[in-house]
Amino acid sequence: NAGVTQTPKFRILKIGQSMTLQCTQDMNHNYMYWYRQDPGMGLKLIYYSVGAGITDKGEVPNGYNVSRSTTEDFPLRLELAAPSQTSVYFCASSYRAGVSLTPQHFGDGTRLSIL
Amino acid sequence: AQTVTQSQPEMSVQEAETVTLSCTYDTSESDYYLFWYKQPPSRQMILVIRQEAYKQQNATENRFSVNFQKAAKSFSLKISDSQLGDAAMYFCAYRSTTSGTYKYIFGTGTRLKVLA
Repeated sequence: NAGVTQTPKFRILKIGQSMTLQCTQDMNHNYMYWYRQDPGMGLKLIYYSVGAGITDKGEVPNGYNVSRSTTEDFPLRLELAAPSQTSVYFCASSYRAGVSLTPQHFGDGTRLSIL
Repeated sequence: AQTVTQSQPEMSVQEAETVTLSCTYDTSESDYYLFWYKQPPSRQMILVIRQEAYKQQNATENRFSVNFQKAAKSFSLKISDSQLGDAAMYFCAYRSTTSGTYKYIFGTGTRLKVLA
């Protein structure tokens, strides 16, 4: 089982460039999340989605955009890369049925450096 | 707003010994979930154990168990018979059960070193 797949695993960007971090899951999970993890810190929520066509901001959404056109995919877009966005990015998914929400499954992360 | 605090940036334990990692949280809600995640050097986030706040019984998963003190808002993780493979960052996380709120709040992590 693939689970949550993130691409690329590593990327170096120049300031001002744009890029999209890809995330796809094959578990039919309706909830998906994007986090960033700065060195020595915990995960901070950037955006999340409770289903196709629905997204909402997390703690640190500035400088990012997301879309959720399908259940499987939840790409994260950086429009104008800044050094402060150097971080490791994690995508996660979970499944909600009624009031029950499964624990999150995480991807392996994308290490992004902005120079 | 909810917060999660892990006051131990780093802990060490001898192989085969027991270690306890601390986590405290702040919330005004009565029902919620608490989690411990493990992040080895591979960076993968792996769920170790979870606890539902309405359950008084402490969760246990093989060598991993929690001490959940709801009144004190404390959620510590005990690792028994520590193994070299337990070396990792451990994150405590909180999730509300309030309808419409499906966000997780993570602590800053505790790095566990296991000494041979």
